[in-house]
Amino acid sequence: ETGVTQTPRHLVMGMTNKKSLKCEQHLGHNAMYWYKQSAKKPLELMFVYSLEERVENNSVPSRFSPECPNSSHLFLHLHTLQPEDSALYLCASSQEGPLGAYEQYFGPGTRLTVT
Amino acid sequence: AQTVTQSQPEMSVQEAETVTLSCTYDTSESDYYLFWYKQPPSRQMILVIRQEAYKQQNATENRFSVNFQKAAKSFSLKISDSQLGDAAMYFCAYSPGGTSYGKLTFGQGTILTVHP
Repeated sequence: ETGVTQTPRHLVMGMTNKKSLKCEQHLGHNAMYWYKQSAKKPLELMFVYSLEERVENNSVPSRFSPECPNSSHLFLHLHTLQPEDSALYLCASSQEGPLGAYEQYFGPGTRLTVT
Repeated sequence: AQTVTQSQPEMSVQEAETVTLSCTYDTSESDYYLFWYKQPPSRQMILVIRQEAYKQQNATENRFSVNFQKAAKSFSLKISDSQLGDAAMYFCAYSPGGTSYGKLTFGQGTILTVHP
């Protein structure tokens, strides 16, 4: 369970704050993902980075800004969030390859509460 | 757009018994992958089993097996000899082929309770 780590595990922030979520993978993977998990809703894919380039952005509001400085690290910068953004944010990584959907390894998540 | 539907919000099973979790999906693709993920109360999601759409043979992993019905777009998970550690939220997920990375679409999840 330590292959993908996320910090912080819990975060409470006001709507005017700026904060960042961090994800680190120790598996040598080359694709990383951000998901949002809200109560009563399916997990939603937010962003995908493949070989450090953003390849998917699923209509996520601009108040969420991802950054992937290298293949091991992924950030999600947050600013002027809304209460409906409160959720569990999950990071995942996988090894990209010709067969596409290799197994994704998930981190424990950051529980975000926006007040 | 692809959709994944899990019609059972909650299921329960007695320890050592067998339980089947249902999943249906909708896609116009012919090349895709299906997954079952498990999310225990500690929240770290782990892969249970994976099925390639082009394979007719149902995937199995120890006590976990799937019933993949491609024409019906059905992908159920059978857990045999249920154990207390199987208690978790189970998610069915779909990923299209044709990309080198995953693009998972998840179902709503099924909470599985295992009674001793």
